[in-house]
Amino acid sequence: DSGVTQTPKHLITATGQRVTLRCSPRSGDLSVYWYQQSLDQGLQFLIQYYNGEERAKGNILERFSAQQFPDLHSELNLSSLELGDSALYFCASSYRGSEPGELFFGEGSRLTVL
Amino acid sequence: AQSVTQLGSHVSVSEGALVLLRCNYSSSVPPYLFWYVQYPNQGLQLLLKYTTGATLVKGINGFEAEFKKSETSFHLTKPSAHMSDAAEYFCAVRGNAGNMLTFGGGTRLMVKP
Repeated sequence: DSGVTQTPKHLITATGQRVTLRCSPRSGDLSVYWYQQSLDQGLQFLIQYYNGEERAKGNILERFSAQQFPDLHSELNLSSLELGDSALYFCASSYRGSEPGELFFGEGSRLTVL
Repeated sequence: AQSVTQLGSHVSVSEGALVLLRCNYSSSVPPYLFWYVQYPNQGLQLLLKYTTGATLVKGINGFEAEFKKSETSFHLTKPSAHMSDAAEYFCAVRGNAGNMLTFGGGTRLMVKP
């Protein structure tokens, strides 16, 4: 158990819909990262937050947005969903945002868009 | 920009045989390198990391990796494979911004009895 909690574990929805994925980092971790894992794209970095502020941005679509709340949990919002958005979405956390530390990954939220 | 190439999306070894998973990286700055393992239906777990210092790093479960700057490689090895090693392995390099990691495409390790 990494200490990172992601909900929901599985989600099935239709094209054009909007979903929210939630992540609770390990206790005391200030940084949260979102990754997308798909068969064709592999593991892609989406976005990082550190103590509520956006720290780094990767290949995140404009239809996707994220935020980190004062209690440090984070949400990833995916809107106008397309079939190609079907993937496993991982959240990871670390204590600091700029040191080469270990990332602790949750078990992921599997999104299926029909 | 950083990138990671893992040679071989699938590797099959017999139980007790040497495990060698290959990773080459590209980095515009001195790299921090990582190997993560993903067991079925689980998140990624850190196996080992290289930041500075000794180029041969040891990780959990008997794995080790050697950083070779001249070859831009960070191959993962284990002298004797165990059935429980069957998983997907990801090599990663840390980027310039924050603690963001760029991952390779992954190598699925299969261990035959």
